[in-house]
Amino acid sequence: GAVVSQHPSRVICKSGTSVKIECRSLDFQATTMFWYRQFPKQSLMLMATSNEGSKATYEQGVEKDKFLINHASLTLSTLTVTSAHPEDSSFYICSAEGLAGGPFEQYFGPGTRLTVT
Amino acid sequence: AQTVTQSQPEMSVQEAETVTLSCTYDTSESNYYLFWYKQPPSRQMILVIRQEAYKQQNATENRFSVNFQKAAKSFSLKISDSQLGDTAMYFCAFMNDNDMRFGAGTRLTVKP
Repeated sequence: GAVVSQHPSRVICKSGTSVKIECRSLDFQATTMFWYRQFPKQSLMLMATSNEGSKATYEQGVEKDKFLINHASLTLSTLTVTSAHPEDSSFYICSAEGLAGGPFEQYFGPGTRLTVT
Repeated sequence: AQTVTQSQPEMSVQEAETVTLSCTYDTSESNYYLFWYKQPPSRQMILVIRQEAYKQQNATENRFSVNFQKAAKSFSLKISDSQLGDTAMYFCAFMNDNDMRFGAGTRLTVKP
């Protein structure tokens, strides 16, 4: 199956700094990428949807100026957490959707654990 | 690395009937979590049920229950009394301290 990678897998940063998380589709072109954040008891919240070459669409309640999403190419989307605070500590997961010989299929990355100290 | 396999890309069931979605995984670890998520067209991920690997008792949430077979590394989801609103993509997922792995998904259609 298709592979989606995330980098870094773990990151620790100090409060007030920014951190960038990359999501790559390794063997297919992703027309759309999604970013999720994990909450207690492992519920997942969709943060935003990004399409290559256009602005991301943010879900209600997600601060677009704090969580910057860039979908620079058909294989790469980045999530930048700006001016991070301890409450931003979480597990962030991306998924990529692309045409894989048929209907669009969605593949998930392994996640990035962000800890803000 | 952990892997999660959902061998049924698509399934359908008649309303009020019972359907079982299969999921197998591969890991060498003993402590982990397993999940089933429901994904509507909005792409939201709705947690349906979770299971801690150390618990032998199968998790149950209303009409949703799992058959967790740790030795066989199997984690199937049973939906009883299927409702039209259950139509969605269902993803099985594995999580440990390091990462989270998802299956490819099963598209479930509940027919009236």
